[in-house]
Order: sequence, then C-alpha cells, then structure tokens
Amino acid sequence: DAKTTQPPSMDCAEGRAANLPCNHSTISGNEYVYWYRQIHSQGPQYIIHGLKNNETNEMASLIITEDRKSSTLILPHATLRDTAVYYCIVRMDSSYKLIFGSGTRLLVRP
Amino acid sequence: EAQVTQNPRYLITVTGKKLTVTCSQNMNHEYMSWYRQDPGLGLRQIYYSMNVEVTDKGDVPEGYKVSRKEKRNFPLILESPSPNQTSLYFCASRDPSRPNYGYTFGSGTRLTVV
Repeated sequence: DAKTTQPPSMDCAEGRAANLPCNHSTISGNEYVYWYRQIHSQGPQYIIHGLKNNETNEMASLIITEDRKSSTLILPHATLRDTAVYYCIVRMDSSYKLIFGSGTRLLVRP
Repeated sequence: EAQVTQNPRYLITVTGKKLTVTCSQNMNHEYMSWYRQDPGLGLRQIYYSMNVEVTDKGDVPEGYKVSRKEKRNFPLILESPSPNQTSLYFCASRDPSRPNYGYTFGSGTRLTVV
C-alpha cells in the first residue's frame, strides 16, 4: 500500500470549511484513498473513500487531483465535534489491512 | 444498530494472568481484525480473520492468540500478559462482499498490565 503524508496538525473556526490535505505520490492505479477519523480515544470512524472521481457524502467531500498524487478532505461546516485525528489511507481493493499513519490532528475553534 | 462490541472497556491485570478481550459484531461480516494503538506508534494490526476458522498474523502478533469459531465473535487472548502489552485495543469488521465499504471499529479496550 502506498505511503501517505499529512500535516501533523491544523485548526479552523467553527462553521468554516476544514480542508485537510494528503499527499500520496506513489499511489498506484488500483489503490483507493480512504479517510477515517478518531475522536479522542474512540474507535476510528470511516468517513469517505474514492478512486479518481470526487466524492461527497453526508459527512464530507473528497477531492482527488487528476494525477491522483494528492487529495483533500473537506468538512464543509466544521463543528466542535469534528475535533479529531484524521487519517488518510491508501490501499488496494483486495487488501484487507488498514495501515494508519500519524494523521492530522484537527482542532475546531469556537 | 449495526456495531462492533468489545468487552471490557477497561481492564487492569497483573503480569502472567491470562485474559480474554471479547469482540462481537452483528453485521454478519466475514472479515474481522484486532489492532493495538500506542503513543507514537499509531494503530498496528495484531491478527485478522477472513472467515470462520481462518485466522492469520498481522504486524505485531507476538504474545497474542485469537480464535474464530463463529462468524460474529473474534476474541483476543493474552495467555501471559506482560507490561509491554499495556495498550488501547480495537476490534474491527468489514463485509468483503462490499470491498469498498469502510471498516466498523469497536469502542476500544484500554488494557493495563502491571
């Protein structure tokens, strides 16, 4: 599975959009980009995933660049409850293992 | 509600006293896995199971055992716990017939071995 690079921490104001970047320059054609988050010491929570097209669900949007070497998770209207560590993970469809990096610690300020 | 349930949530034990952390899922998922989380080391996979009676080692299996006698349960067994197994443990499951579907994680078990 390809390696990902994320900034260690970010912050944003409550109600504003939070844009979390992820670099995955060695991603291969059959690898998906997944995003999970972990609030405090709870179990990681699946957010969204994509292959090459932009994706949106009720939690977030995922923007993947055309060359697929980077992506951005967008929380459109961040709330205090979105304060968490966000993990960007790249893996193949056939791989069952999730390899977690260090993630980005997002702090949403009141 | 679809969920992965771990028990206990907190456990303090002494070195060498065998213990079992239970994990149960109600989603009929075939795939289940155990992770441990340590400061500075992140989440690391201990064992996983592709189906009943099918288990395999993850990245850090030493000192742990698992069993998968039925689809819903995947207990983690520490035969002789040591202080270096003090950690936060998570169980996860997934439906492989929906390979792009995300994993569901349990709420975690915080284990302290003294």
